[in-house]
Amino acid sequence: GEDVEQSLFLSVREGDSSVINCTYTDSSSTYLYWYKQEPGAGLQLLTYIFSNMDMKQDQRLTVLLNKKDKHLSLRIADTQTGDSAIYFCAESSPGGYQKVTFGIGTKLQVIP
Amino acid sequence: KAGVTQTPRYLIKTRGQQVTLSCSPISGHRSVSWYQQTPGQGLQFLFEYFSETQRNKGNFPGRFSGRQFSNSRSEMNVSTLELGDSALYLCASSLEASGGAETQYFGPGTRLLVL
Repeated sequence: GEDVEQSLFLSVREGDSSVINCTYTDSSSTYLYWYKQEPGAGLQLLTYIFSNMDMKQDQRLTVLLNKKDKHLSLRIADTQTGDSAIYFCAESSPGGYQKVTFGIGTKLQVIP
Repeated sequence: KAGVTQTPRYLIKTRGQQVTLSCSPISGHRSVSWYQQTPGQGLQFLFEYFSETQRNKGNFPGRFSGRQFSNSRSEMNVSTLELGDSALYLCASSLEASGGAETQYFGPGTRLLVL
């Protein structure tokens, strides 16, 4: 079945760049997502990338996709304390009817 | 436009009891998905409803069930609660759920504690 893996924890200094990595197993994945969850809140979709793309940039966020290695990364430039949260990588497959598979989440800690 | 709302926000039950959680999607959204979030397992997909029909189901026992009403509001029910059912239950809605990059909007969740 589908599996999405990501590291559990990342700590960076304010102003530095953060890179959160994710690997997935389903070669038929069509869309890959990054969600953010702040304490006590639900998940917020940050960005997504279609599987035929290599890169997507949206303001401070850059998503890189290596389809051959099934590796996805999220780079946050100029990381701020407000970026402290749990970041989830997720994938969906064709005809998945929103059966989205999530990773366990990477907790990003930003040190002032 | 109001976001996804879930009630109740917090719930304490004892083993063997049953519980019903409610989710009201964003107005106009017809797809509602449910997820269970635990520290050890992360987010796990429970089921998805569209136009009152369950279209997809995750790998959960039959104690977990759900339904969707004609106004797209959805409920999920867990019968014969076990300690391991303690979790944050998240509901997400989307417009049509075509299987593509349909943005899912998540509610704040219902935190269930089973004693």
